[in-house]
Amino acid sequence: GNSVTQMEGPVTLSEEAFLTINCTYTATGYPSLFWYVQYPGEGLQLLLKATKADDKGSNKGFEATYRKETTSFHLEKGSVQVSDSAVYFCALSDSGGGADGLTFGKGTHLIIQP
Amino acid sequence: GAVVSQHPSWVICKSGTSVKIECRSLDFQATTMFWYRQFPKQSLMLMATSNEGSKATYEQGVEKDKFLINHASLTLSTLTVTSAHPEDSSFYICSASPGTATGQYFGPGTRLTVT
Repeated sequence: GNSVTQMEGPVTLSEEAFLTINCTYTATGYPSLFWYVQYPGEGLQLLLKATKADDKGSNKGFEATYRKETTSFHLEKGSVQVSDSAVYFCALSDSGGGADGLTFGKGTHLIIQP
Repeated sequence: GAVVSQHPSWVICKSGTSVKIECRSLDFQATTMFWYRQFPKQSLMLMATSNEGSKATYEQGVEKDKFLINHASLTLSTLTVTSAHPEDSSFYICSASPGTATGQYFGPGTRLTVT
């Protein structure tokens, strides 16, 4: 079956530091890949997604590239802000993400210190 | 846009009773809704998928007679935990999708505590 593995936190960084959160997956076929973010007290929000190999998803300064050869979808940001503090979930879907349930990683708690 | 609400946000019930959780898409019609369960420091686990007017499809290992899902309209799905036990205590999250390519929008979750 499908599975997602992501680095466990908490990850603590200083403001303006470079961020990488690793995510690897196991799936049959060609899944769509997602990063969701959950701010305190709020529901999950889609941060970015990629639907085929070599696609790069980007949003709010975050980027992730769908690497089929390494089955990875690492999340990166060049300069983090305190407001980026949240829990980040890597996920995959066998479809575009609307018709099938998502398989999630355990989530990475990111803490950005001023 | 694309707001999903859940009610209640938290609930405490006694062992043996049933509790209903509502999930609503506020500004779009959801052809498909999903129910997830999240344990502390764990990932979200898909419980079931429901399409409006159809029976829900449950994931392996999820008791359909215990977790009753109704998707009666394009904006409302309900999850009823029947004869709740302390091991059912968890964070339940719903999501809704307006279509196959548009992804899912998540509700804020419901914390269930069974005493």
